[in-house]
Amino acid sequence: DAEITQSPRHKITETGRQVTLACHQTWNHNNMFWYRQDLGHGLRLIHYSYGVQDTNKGEVSDGYSVSRSNTEDLPLTLESAASSQTSVYFCASSKPGASYNEQFFGPGTRLTVL
Amino acid sequence: GDSVTQMEGPVTLSEEAFLTINCTYTATGYPSLFWYVQYPGEGLQLLLKATKADDKGSNKGFEATYRKETTSFHLEKGSVQVSDSAVYFCALLIQGAQKLVFGQGTRLTINP
Repeated sequence: DAEITQSPRHKITETGRQVTLACHQTWNHNNMFWYRQDLGHGLRLIHYSYGVQDTNKGEVSDGYSVSRSNTEDLPLTLESAASSQTSVYFCASSKPGASYNEQFFGPGTRLTVL
Repeated sequence: GDSVTQMEGPVTLSEEAFLTINCTYTATGYPSLFWYVQYPGEGLQLLLKATKADDKGSNKGFEATYRKETTSFHLEKGSVQVSDSAVYFCALLIQGAQKLVFGQGTRLTINP
């Protein structure tokens, strides 16, 4: 069955370190998204991509970057981790052209920055 | 800008009670509306959707009607179960765009 996976599921790191969170989907969806989930804020969009070599900033993109070298993967990099980036991160994908563009979510990565 | 406002939680009910979670939105275009559910330790799953005014989305006993006149998409269920305990998110998608805007989520706990 097609799916979307994230790794690692849990990560503890130190302030100032570079961290990369992986997202892999097997639906061949062109659209991929990264969100962070924090209490009281719901899900906020960090970065998104509409296809290979395409990346766009979301509402909370400072301190994060993404790259899209193939359809299946959209890794999220924290260039220099900060305590404010402690959060749960969700990756999602969708198929463009659908009338309602349902997004399918991964299981999440819980990141703690000490 | 586009935004979604949900009733604040947490909400605690007894089994078989009637549930309403309020959701209102602000949008410049004609959005599609969604309810997503997040069970403990999991990612979000689409619960139901509506793509135009007066549409009713339904799934697993949950319903929501797209009310353009009141810019609302309230989630309802006639008789909740313990297994409905989760966090519920209302979201909108602007026609032509491909990004979701989420409300802050409402945590629901159902006691036996």
